[in-house]
Amino acid sequence: QKEVEQDPGPLSVPEGAIVSLNCTYSNSAFQYFMWYRQYSRKGPELLMYTYSSGNKEDGRFTAQVDKSSKYISLFIRDSQPSDSATYLCAMGWGTGFQKLVFGTGTRLLVSP
Amino acid sequence: GAVVSQHPSWVICKSGTSVKIECRSLDFQATTMFWYRQFPKQSLMLMATSNEGSKATYEQGVEKDKFLINHASLTLSTLTVTSAHPEDSSFYICSAPAVVEAFFGQGTRLTVV
Repeated sequence: QKEVEQDPGPLSVPEGAIVSLNCTYSNSAFQYFMWYRQYSRKGPELLMYTYSSGNKEDGRFTAQVDKSSKYISLFIRDSQPSDSATYLCAMGWGTGFQKLVFGTGTRLLVSP
Repeated sequence: GAVVSQHPSWVICKSGTSVKIECRSLDFQATTMFWYRQFPKQSLMLMATSNEGSKATYEQGVEKDKFLINHASLTLSTLTVTSAHPEDSSFYICSAPAVVEAFFGQGTRLTVV
């Protein structure tokens, strides 16, 4: 079993839709959880991070963590074609953003 | 914000040759950098941890004699793929952790022919 499981997609939605991206994990030692966005042939860029269970909102993005279920989600409201990218969940432990374990990434396609 | 610059962005080399990839932190000092490899439709896999002034730490299954890492200064880490083979073709990405996030380079797409 992989430490982090993520559906690779692709996930195709029309512009304006609400998008839900999810990851499950098996290692209860993970303490912080991140979502990265990666455009084709580019390095990942951090979207959101959180240390605790619950919701965290930033503009159109909401990150949700449920440690009891070992499940995290990223919601994108009012999706735009520019949101089309691969979204990777990542998890880590210890101090700072040290070693991270990534999901495979979900490819999102938002059509105009 | 902090930026990590990786060079080159893509490279094609002949089988058996060596390729050097540079990773620079542009406006902060990075005592630690991470090197990842990403195959198509797969997640980023940590290869090694680069430590300034000391030997790199390699993940299980990564050949340290094949993937040479040098972290000679607080702003530069290099990954050299020695005697490259077609199976080494991949997307290599470096990362430097800061206080509240990890910054990634643009990545290097290596194609070995």
